[in-house]
Amino acid sequence: AQSVSQHNHHVILSEAASLELGCNYSYGGTVNLFWYVQYPGQHLQLLLKYFSGDPLVKGIKGFEAEFIKSKFSFNLRKPSVQWSDTAEYFCAVRSDYKLSFGAGTTVTVRA
Amino acid sequence: EAQVTQNPRYLITVTGKKLTVTCSQNMNHEYMSWYRQDPGLGLRQIYYSMNVEVTDKGDVPEGYKVSRKEKRNFPLILESPSPNQTSLYFCASSSTRSSLVGNEQFFGPGTRLTVL
Repeated sequence: AQSVSQHNHHVILSEAASLELGCNYSYGGTVNLFWYVQYPGQHLQLLLKYFSGDPLVKGIKGFEAEFIKSKFSFNLRKPSVQWSDTAEYFCAVRSDYKLSFGAGTTVTVRA
Repeated sequence: EAQVTQNPRYLITVTGKKLTVTCSQNMNHEYMSWYRQDPGLGLRQIYYSMNVEVTDKGDVPEGYKVSRKEKRNFPLILESPSPNQTSLYFCASSSTRSSLVGNEQFFGPGTRLTVL
């Protein structure tokens, strides 16, 4: 069975700081990788996804993620966060037709 | 507008009283799924459906039932709800066409269920 691990439960940072959220998964086969964001009171929205090709993927709102196959990792980054990036972030791994989520990381950006 | 809708959005009920949460999508997606979201646990898959009349268990199916009689609808049924089923529930759908390998799931707005 696949599992997804997000390293940080809660991250607090100031505006303009850089953000990196860790995500590791355990599954030996072919996977598709996703980062979703959930703003307060809203449903999940896709930030970015990887399924093949360039391991560095760019998403919406200035986010990017790098797939490192040897490390089973798919870390999310943003060079300079804004107050509006305050949200919960979920890493997800899809194999076959099963999508598994990490526990989520709450990001609080202070103005 | 392409969307996934869920009803009701909020529900408070009592232990043992059967309830159904509806989910509908207008994108002609083959794949639909139900998740529950609990603090510190992220989203866990309850059931999923590959297409009409094809359903399978996810990670936490106990206490839930689903049906897929029509492509657009995928209701979640709690025959005898218990307090440990108090949670935030999300329905999602996606296409399974091979040309869209790796395509995303579209999520509904969520249903907050409280079982007393």
